[in-house]
Amino acid sequence: KQEVTQIPAALSVPEGENLVLNCSFTDSAIYNLQWFRQDPGKGLTSLLLIQSSQREQTSGRLNASLDKSSGRSTLYIAASQPGDSATYLCAARAPYYDKVIFGPGTSLSVIP
Amino acid sequence: NAGVTQTPKFRILKIGQSMTLQCTQDMNHNYMYWYRQDPGMGLKLIYYSVGAGITDKGEVPNGYNVSRSTTEDFPLRLELAAPSQTSVYFCASSYWGPDSGYTFGSGTRLTVV
Repeated sequence: KQEVTQIPAALSVPEGENLVLNCSFTDSAIYNLQWFRQDPGKGLTSLLLIQSSQREQTSGRLNASLDKSSGRSTLYIAASQPGDSATYLCAARAPYYDKVIFGPGTSLSVIP
Repeated sequence: NAGVTQTPKFRILKIGQSMTLQCTQDMNHNYMYWYRQDPGMGLKLIYYSVGAGITDKGEVPNGYNVSRSTTEDFPLRLELAAPSQTSVYFCASSYWGPDSGYTFGSGTRLTVV
């Protein structure tokens, strides 16, 4: 059974720092891994989607990597800003039953 | 382009009442999903559909029902609401195939009292 975990559960950093959010999954047989952002009381916004054949994806200050063999993905945020404060969730898409398994999220606070 | 639209945004139900959460998408996506999100627990899959007329259970289907009569609509029915169904409900959709990512609606916050 696929399980997805995210460490840390919460993170507080000063503005301008580079930071890394971690996502681990137990079954390496995934189709893709997707990172989402969720603002309080809002829905999920897709940030990056990494296919199983890819190693990383970049969008602006965000870079996501995928290492299937170790069951890990990281989301790197460069030069963090207060507007980056949100909860970040990763989700692994499994090939069986076409399900997506979500991690519990990392709550990020960027302090001005 | 509206994407995935959910209604209502908020609702308070009394124990034993029933209601339908509406979800519609205009992207011609084959797959649609219902998730619930509880604090600190991530998202749990309730039901999903791979196309019109086809639905299947997810991880936590008890107390819920769905239908998929059209590609666009995927309503979630709650029968005999219970306090344990207090949660935030999200509808999502994706195009056919494993290469596709998900698009989410803005959610419905449901409280059962």
